[in-house]
Amino acid sequence: GQQVMQIPQYQHVQEGEDFTTYCNSSTTLSNIQWYKQRPGGHPVFLIQLVKSGEVKKQKRLTFQFGEAKKNSSLHITATQTTDVGTYFCAKPTSGGYQKVTFGTGTKLQVIP
Amino acid sequence: NAGVMQNPRHLVRRRGQEARLRCSPMKGHSHVYWYRQLPEEGLKFMVYLQKENIIDESGMPKERFSAEFPKEGPSILRIQQVVRGDSAAYFCASSPSAVLDTQYFGPGTRLTVL
Repeated sequence: GQQVMQIPQYQHVQEGEDFTTYCNSSTTLSNIQWYKQRPGGHPVFLIQLVKSGEVKKQKRLTFQFGEAKKNSSLHITATQTTDVGTYFCAKPTSGGYQKVTFGTGTKLQVIP
Repeated sequence: NAGVMQNPRHLVRRRGQEARLRCSPMKGHSHVYWYRQLPEEGLKFMVYLQKENIIDESGMPKERFSAEFPKEGPSILRIQQVVRGDSAAYFCASSPSAVLDTQYFGPGTRLTVL
């Protein structure tokens, strides 16, 4: 199937540093979703981006959808230990319904 | 307003036994999705169900796996004759409609096959 690649796979940062994860698709996306999964937890929906070049902010998190709608990024400013977890992007698959393909994920570790 | 419920949270089975995983969607949600997550990997779609119907089972292994979502009661993911490779976390998600919108995930069932 069409994979969604995320980089980096792992990231260790000192608390207070910024963090960015990138999501890349080989095909144009109608929209993209982002999820966070804490260690031992379940995925929690963060946001959905639909428009080309869209930028959305949630407190210290900034989400961006590329102009060509083939890539997306999640940037966290001044990381905190509560940001620890794996961040997944997810793209819709054919069919139009909620079936999504999850990216490979970026595992974030914040060192206090 | 209860979220998506899954039980059991942890399930241990010996090779060859059956595993039954249950998912109760959020109130008012009639669309259920099952995903499997192997250790240190992302989530892989397995099956999409609406009440009494399987809409898309393209991610489900052809053998030993089955899913249902009856008119009454929870959605069930059934794995027959489990093997060690079935050890994973199984998550279900529900949504109120079929159009692309937020999926709400349950806490998952961690299946361990001895």
